[in-house]
Amino acid sequence: GNSVTQMEGPVTLSEEAFLTINCTYTATGYPSLFWYVQYPGEGLQLLLKATKADDKGSNKGFEATYRKETTSFHLEKGSVQVSDSAVYFCALGLISNFGNEKLTFGTGTRLTIIP
Amino acid sequence: AAGVIQSPRHLIKEKRETATLKCYPIPRHDTVYWYQQGPGQDPQFLISFYEKMQSDKGSIPDRFSAQQFSDYHSELNMSSLELGDSALYFCASSFLGGSTDTQYFGPGTRLTVL
Repeated sequence: GNSVTQMEGPVTLSEEAFLTINCTYTATGYPSLFWYVQYPGEGLQLLLKATKADDKGSNKGFEATYRKETTSFHLEKGSVQVSDSAVYFCALGLISNFGNEKLTFGTGTRLTIIP
Repeated sequence: AAGVIQSPRHLIKEKRETATLKCYPIPRHDTVYWYQQGPGQDPQFLISFYEKMQSDKGSIPDRFSAQQFSDYHSELNMSSLELGDSALYFCASSFLGGSTDTQYFGPGTRLTVL
């Protein structure tokens, strides 16, 4: 079956530190890969995505590269800010028979940035 | 830009009661998805609709039903509520005819069953 394995949290970093949140996946077919972010009390927001091998998604200083050989999509940011504190979900999407994309999420990683 | 609208934002029900959650997709989006996120859990796919027809089904209990209407809004009906149904329910929408089919999530409805 399809699954996403995420680095367990919580993760606590100091401001301006380098961030890596690991994500690996198992999928039948050729999934798209996503990172979603959930701020306290809010819904899920798409952070970045990649649709095929070697694609790099980037947004707000975050980056992730679709690595088919290692089935990974690790999230990185060079210098985190307090405002990055949130829960981060890695997800894969596969096209169903109807043509729409069903998402499978990882368990989420809670990130806390301290000043 | 317009986003996905969900109502109500918060709902409190007693066991064995029924609840109806509503989702209004982004204009021109033709596909709606429902997810359930339990406390401290990852979102789990429940069901999706494309052009008012059910397109995929996940771990949705038989006590739940959903539909998409002619104006593309969707409703999730939940009957015989149980304590374990307490969760955050997300709706997402996408445009299947577009190049990316990216799902955009609403803010969620927090359901508490007492």
